[in-house]
Amino acid sequence: FMLTQPPSVSESPGKTVTISCTRSSGSIGDYFVRWYQQRPGSSPTTVIFQDNQRPSGVPDRFSGSIDSSSNSASLTISGLKTEDEADYYCQSYDNNHQVFGGGTKLTVL
Amino acid sequence: EVLLAESGGGLVKPGGSLRLSCAASGFVFSDYAMNWVRQAPGKGLEWVSTISLGSNYIYYADSLKGRFTISRDNAKNSLYLQINSLRADDTAVYYCAGGKKQLEPDFWGQGTLVTVSS
Repeated sequence: FMLTQPPSVSESPGKTVTISCTRSSGSIGDYFVRWYQQRPGSSPTTVIFQDNQRPSGVPDRFSGSIDSSSNSASLTISGLKTEDEADYYCQSYDNNHQVFGGGTKLTVL
Repeated sequence: EVLLAESGGGLVKPGGSLRLSCAASGFVFSDYAMNWVRQAPGKGLEWVSTISLGSNYIYYADSLKGRFTISRDNAKNSLYLQINSLRADDTAVYYCAGGKKQLEPDFWGQGTLVTVSS
């Protein structure tokens, strides 16, 4: 299966942005979705796990959800800050594979 | 503090082999599944392989089966990736990543760069 993300999104500071991640086959609700943030020159870090859970230390401006009707997951970042500018990747799996989305470059301008 | 430190990357000629290592500290290594994920320059993340706590279950990306071998030594808190018949398109930063659940990487190392070029 594949996970499809928009290549890029942009929004102004203080606004809200949503990044989608559509699963090509298999039900989005059958396997957890995770979201990673990767700033330039750094390793990925988890911002959402188990579809909608935030690790400690991740601001509550970050939220995750899934939509079975569109077979997709979404990452929403509210109250955008310039420090949120990064690449974001969704990730999920099936019984013996894991897949990353192609990544979305978030520009906060 | 959870730490994963990859090593073993470098410049290799096409057709060559390389063994990457990942030294773990700050957590009980044997309680975590481990993964290798790579990222070609300017590209996205690509899953390579996953190994379960006791090495009973091993998974590979279909496109990479045959040339890559993942292993771990829980006594040494270390993860390994053997790569054979290296090709130019294997050029990437290779990350090791750990997680409580298989196929769900949680925390990542800083990566080691593998460059395949003549």
